Amino acid sequence: QSALTQPASVSGSPGQSITISCTGTTSDVGGHTLVSWYQQHPDKAPKLVVYDVIQRPSGVSNRFSGSKSGNTASLTISGLQAEDEADYYCSSYTSSRTFVFGGGTKVTVL
Amino acid sequence: QVQLVQSGAEVKKPGASVKVSCKTSGYTFTSYLIHWVRQAPGQGLEWMGVISPSGPSTTYAQKLRGRLAFTRDMSTSTVYMELSNLRSDDTAVYYCAREYSGSFRDYYFDNWGQGTLATVSS
Repeated sequence: QSALTQPASVSGSPGQSITISCTGTTSDVGGHTLVSWYQQHPDKAPKLVVYDVIQRPSGVSNRFSGSKSGNTASLTISGLQAEDEADYYCSSYTSSRTFVFGGGTKVTVL
Repeated sequence: QVQLVQSGAEVKKPGASVKVSCKTSGYTFTSYLIHWVRQAPGQGLEWMGVISPSGPSTTYAQKLRGRLAFTRDMSTSTVYMELSNLRSDDTAVYYCAREYSGSFRDYYFDNWGQGTLATVSS
C-alpha cells in the first residue's frame, strides 16, 4: 500500500487560509468517507482534527474544515494562527482493511 | 480521563526484539481497537497494524508480517507490540492509538499514547 500523496510544505500569513491536499486512489480515499486528519507538533503525539472527511471532534477549532472530491481529500485551515504551525497527516481506511497515511505536510506560519 | 501510557525508551542491537507496552485506562477496554503507528526520525507516520482486545484478532501491515506480534492482557487493560529481528531502519517512535469499535467502527484514531522511542544500533 503506497502512502497517500501530500505536499511537503504549505505556508501562509496569520489570518490567511491554507489548504492541504491528500491524493489517493479508488481503493482508499476515493472509495468512501473514512478519511481523517491529524496535527502533530514537534516531539508530540498526533492529534485528531478531522474525521469522516468533514467532521470535527469536540474541542477542535472550527477554523479546521475538511472536504473531498474524487480521490483527493483536503484540509483547510482558515484564520491561520501561530499555534497552527505543525505537521499534518491524512489517513484513510483501505479496501484491504488496513490504514494508510499521507507523507505529511509541514505548515509554516510566516 | 482516557489515557494510553506507553513504556519507556529502548535500545536494541540488530537482530534482537523489542516489546513495547500500552497501558490503557479511563474507558471500556474491549470497546476499542488498539492500533500501532510508527514514525522514523524526521519521517512520516506508518500504520503497523491493529488488535481487537475483545478478540483478540489482529491485522498486520504486509511489510511487517512475520516480524510483528500484538498481544493483550485483559487483567491490566494493556496491549503489547513486539517487533523481532530488528534492523537499523526499525529505529522509530512507536505509538499506540485507539479506535472505537463498539456497536460500529469509527475508522479514525481519537486518542494516542505518548510514544516510545526504540533505537536499533550495534
